[in-house]
Amino acid sequence: KAGVTQTPRYLIKTRGQQVTLSCSPISGHRSVSWYQQTPGQGLQFLFEYFSETQRNKGNFPGRFSGRQFSNSRSEMNVSTLELGDSALYLCASSLIPSEETQYFGPGTRLLVL
Amino acid sequence: SQQGEEDPQALSIQEGENATMNCSYKTSINNLQWYRQNSGRGLVHLILIRSNEREKHSGRLRVTLDTSKKSSSLLITASRAADTASYFCATFDTGNQFYFGTGTSLTVIP
Repeated sequence: KAGVTQTPRYLIKTRGQQVTLSCSPISGHRSVSWYQQTPGQGLQFLFEYFSETQRNKGNFPGRFSGRQFSNSRSEMNVSTLELGDSALYLCASSLIPSEETQYFGPGTRLLVL
Repeated sequence: SQQGEEDPQALSIQEGENATMNCSYKTSINNLQWYRQNSGRGLVHLILIRSNEREKHSGRLRVTLDTSKKSSSLLITASRAADTASYFCATFDTGNQFYFGTGTSLTVIP
């Protein structure tokens, strides 16, 4: 079974731009979560989607948004990028929401200049 | 803020030695999981222990959970150079929130 895939793997943007990251979960997994990882703040939960509905949301500003499609693929969008948004963005999928083992993708490394 | 704090932040040992890292958390949990991350890549799930379990084994890994102290430990026995990575505990609390700890950076010297 193919693992979680994330595209693109690397991205460079400038302040004020917006960015869309994509995540394809493991086949059959319906829950997708997003995390931001930075050296200063560590791994922080962004949001979780299940059956195209956002179930949980972390403490991030409204510039961070996401969605899930009927095939369970998910996208997250960051608008009006700030320097502090530079991070590794990780997507994880699981069979059911949150409680069970999460399988992580390789991440998208975003650099905001 | 993060739920979990891990100790030590960094650990360096010789190959063949055992490595122990600890995780403390703040709220009631449904389960606690340990993950490994190699150098800025994705996380790999190692083991899950539920709140009603006290100890769990998986290969060279042994995890304990003390819910009264809100703490867990991960023991890696007979360490190998390939175990060099960052290790994170993650808790799924009763409020359906998933939190990661601050991580322990393990270096195993061949």
